[in-house]
Order: sequence, then C-alpha cells, then structure tokens
Amino acid sequence: QSALTQPASVSGSPGQSITISCTGTSSDVGGFNFVSWYQQHPGKAPKLIIYDVNNRPSGVSNRFSGSKSGNTASLTISGLQAEDEADYSCSSYTTSRSRVFGGGTRLTVL
Amino acid sequence: EVQLLESGGGLVQPGGSLRLSCAASGFTFSNYAMSWVRQVPGKGLEWVSTISGGGGSTYYAESVKGRFPISRDNSKNTLSLQMNSLRAEDTAIYYCAKGIRFWGQNGIDVWGLGTTVTVSS
Repeated sequence: QSALTQPASVSGSPGQSITISCTGTSSDVGGFNFVSWYQQHPGKAPKLIIYDVNNRPSGVSNRFSGSKSGNTASLTISGLQAEDEADYSCSSYTTSRSRVFGGGTRLTVL
Repeated sequence: EVQLLESGGGLVQPGGSLRLSCAASGFTFSNYAMSWVRQVPGKGLEWVSTISGGGGSTYYAESVKGRFPISRDNSKNTLSLQMNSLRAEDTAIYYCAKGIRFWGQNGIDVWGLGTTVTVSS
C-alpha cells in the first residue's frame, strides 16, 4: 500500500487560511469516508484533529475543517495562529483492511 | 483521562526479538480497537498493526506481516507487539494508539508518547 501524497510544506501568515491536500486512490481515500488528520509538534505524539473526513473531536478548534472530493482529502486551517505551526498528516482506511498515512506536511506560520 | 503508556523499547541486534507493551487507562479498553504506529524521526507515520476491541481480528502492514504478532489482554488493559526477526529498517519510535471505535476503520484518536526501538549491531 503506497503512502498518501501530501505536499512537503505549506506556509501562511497569521490570520490567513491554508489548505493541505492528501491524495490517494479509489482503494483508500476515494473508497471510504474514513479519512483522519493529525497534528504533530516537534518531539511530541500526534494529535487527532479531524476524523471521518470532516468531524472534529471535542476540544479541537473550529478553525480546523476537513473535506473530500474523489480521491483527494483536504484539511483547511482558517485564522492561522503561531501555535498551528506543526506537521500535519492524513490517514485513510483501505480496501486491504489496513491503514495508510500520508508523508506529512510541514506548516510554517510566517 | 485516557492514557497510554508504552514500554519495552531498546537496542537489539538484527535478527533479534523485542516485546512492546502498552498499559491503557481512562477508558473501557475492550470497547476499542488498538493499533501500533511507528515513525522514524524526521519521517512520516507508518501504520504497523491493528487489533479489534475483542481481539478476534488482527491486521498487519506487509512490512511486518508474519514477524510482529499483535495481541491484547482485555482483563489487564494491555496491548502487546511481539517483534521478531528484527531488521535495521524497523528502527523507529513505536506509538501505541487507541481506535475511535471497536473496529479500526475510523482511525486513531489517542496516542501514547512512544517507545524507541533501535535495531543495530
């Protein structure tokens, strides 16, 4: 199972919005609504911020939102803040009853 | 508060074995799938294995299938990963992770702090 494709890096200024894409195939992202997104600060464990494509866990800011179109899922962060600077990874369930992650995207807040 | 505490990591020679454990607390352990996910520092996350809440279904990445059996003891709220025939490419931080539901399709909502496995001679 190949890793999902994410851009290596994105950047934005405080207050702006950014979107991170996550491209897979019909065997993973496109085949199920089981896409999740994780935020990871350096040296820390990942934190769930979106599950089932567009659901936010309790306690996660509504500045984070998710969507999906075809084989590509997207994470949008609005009103960028300095503390949003981190690595973001997507993940999907697959037809092989496995799970696959993206390579991760480094978000820089300028 | 949900807590996951991994143990058992360390330095091991190629071909050797290691057993990782994860002590869970703060939730009804048997109601949720559990997974192991690894990460080479500076690299992306890699799913390793998932076990259903009841322990009756297990799933593995191709890279570890046949070498890393996953198991759980719901009476002790403990998840384990027996790592056999270790290779240099298995070197990583291993995270214990709680599933969102009984089955693993929906993904992971809580992660442990990780335990480091180094395979080197």
